[in-house]
Amino acid sequence: AQSVTQLDSHVSVSEGTPVLLRCNYSSSYSPSLFWYVQHPNKGLQLLLKYTSAATLVKGINGFEAEFKKSETSFHLTKPSAHMSDAAEYFCVVRKLTGGGNKLTFGTGTQLKVEL
Amino acid sequence: DGGITQSPKYLFRKEGQNVTLSCEQNLNHDAMYWYRQDPGQGLRLIYYSQIVNDFQKGDIAEGYSVSREKKESFPLTVTSAQKNPTAFYLCASSILKPMNTEAFFGQGTRLTVV
Repeated sequence: AQSVTQLDSHVSVSEGTPVLLRCNYSSSYSPSLFWYVQHPNKGLQLLLKYTSAATLVKGINGFEAEFKKSETSFHLTKPSAHMSDAAEYFCVVRKLTGGGNKLTFGTGTQLKVEL
Repeated sequence: DGGITQSPKYLFRKEGQNVTLSCEQNLNHDAMYWYRQDPGQGLRLIYYSQIVNDFQKGDIAEGYSVSREKKESFPLTVTSAQKNPTAFYLCASSILKPMNTEAFFGQGTRLTVV
């Protein structure tokens, strides 16, 4: 079975400092992994996705994620936080089931950015 | 513009009533999904469909029903059997392959039982 675990429900950083949002996955084979961002009362926007072409994935708004198979991790990082980064972030795995394929979400990490 | 449209944005329901949430996409995607979002629980899958006239139960299907009569449309009915329907509902769509293809989301419907 495939699933994802987001290790922190809340992360607080100061503007201009690095961001680290942690995600671990469990999978019996090469997973399809994504990070999405959600601003309050909005839909979800894709930040980046792992395509197996490269372990370091660059996304929008300066975010990156590194796929580490040995650690079963796909942590999201950004060198310098901006106030506009305050939002909820979801790590997602796409998995095959008997009925097809579906997305399974982590429980989310709320990022707070302080002045 | 291509995308997914959910309506209404806000919906109020009296206890004991059924309500239907609309989801339409013009992306020509085969797969469509309904998720429920509650604080601290992430998104939980209600139903999904990969082809017209076929759909599968997700993790929390009880008290919900769907139909997929057209490729573009995947309405969700919240029935009176759903014990705690107040939540934020998100619809998504995607192509089926490859597996690393992302899903696109609507802007959501916030349902409140009054």
